[in-house]
Amino acid sequence: GAVVSQHPSWVICKSGTSVKIECRSLDFQATTMFWYRQFPKQSLMLMATSNEGSKATYEQGVEKDKFLINHASLTLSTLTVTSAHPEDSSFYICSARRLAEGRNIQYFGAGTRLSVL
Amino acid sequence: AQTVTQSQPEMSVQEAETVTLSCTYDTSESDYYLFWYKQPPSRQMILVIRQEAYKQQNATENRFSVNFQKAAKSFSLKISDSQLGDAAMYFCAYIQGGSEKLVFGKGTKLTVNP
Repeated sequence: GAVVSQHPSWVICKSGTSVKIECRSLDFQATTMFWYRQFPKQSLMLMATSNEGSKATYEQGVEKDKFLINHASLTLSTLTVTSAHPEDSSFYICSARRLAEGRNIQYFGAGTRLSVL
Repeated sequence: AQTVTQSQPEMSVQEAETVTLSCTYDTSESDYYLFWYKQPPSRQMILVIRQEAYKQQNATENRFSVNFQKAAKSFSLKISDSQLGDAAMYFCAYIQGGSEKLVFGKGTKLTVNP
């Protein structure tokens, strides 16, 4: 099956600092990756769609200057949480769409738990 | 807008028994796909099963099968011979053909009792 690696799995940072989360498709190319946020005991909320070589598309209500997304290659997308604050503490999950299987299967990373002190 | 509803926040099943998780969705589209994802305590999202709307035959993957009722917009997941490792959150999801956005239900927490 397709493998998506997400790093780090857990990060603790001080308020005001920036944190970068990486999402890599290990055995396939992904022109499109997705970033989700999941609050405790809740479903996944799509934050943005990351397109290789172009600007990300953000969902309504998501601050693009707070959550910077870079999709520099067909196998790597990064999410940077800038000037993090305690309310940004959450579980962030990425997924990648596999080209070979068409548009409609997303494979997920293992997620990153962000704790902002 | 498309919505996905999972009416069972929690379910439990005895090991080796069968359990059915419910999911309904709302759409006016005819081209779409439906999924069940599993999220165990590790929180890694795992694709369990996929169904294309244009296919009448219900999808099956080993112990997992779906009952896809297109007219009723229902997409339930049946887990046979439940195992302890099946304990997880299960999310039903929808994606419109030509779109890339998955719409998730709120999830059902499945407990498997030994």
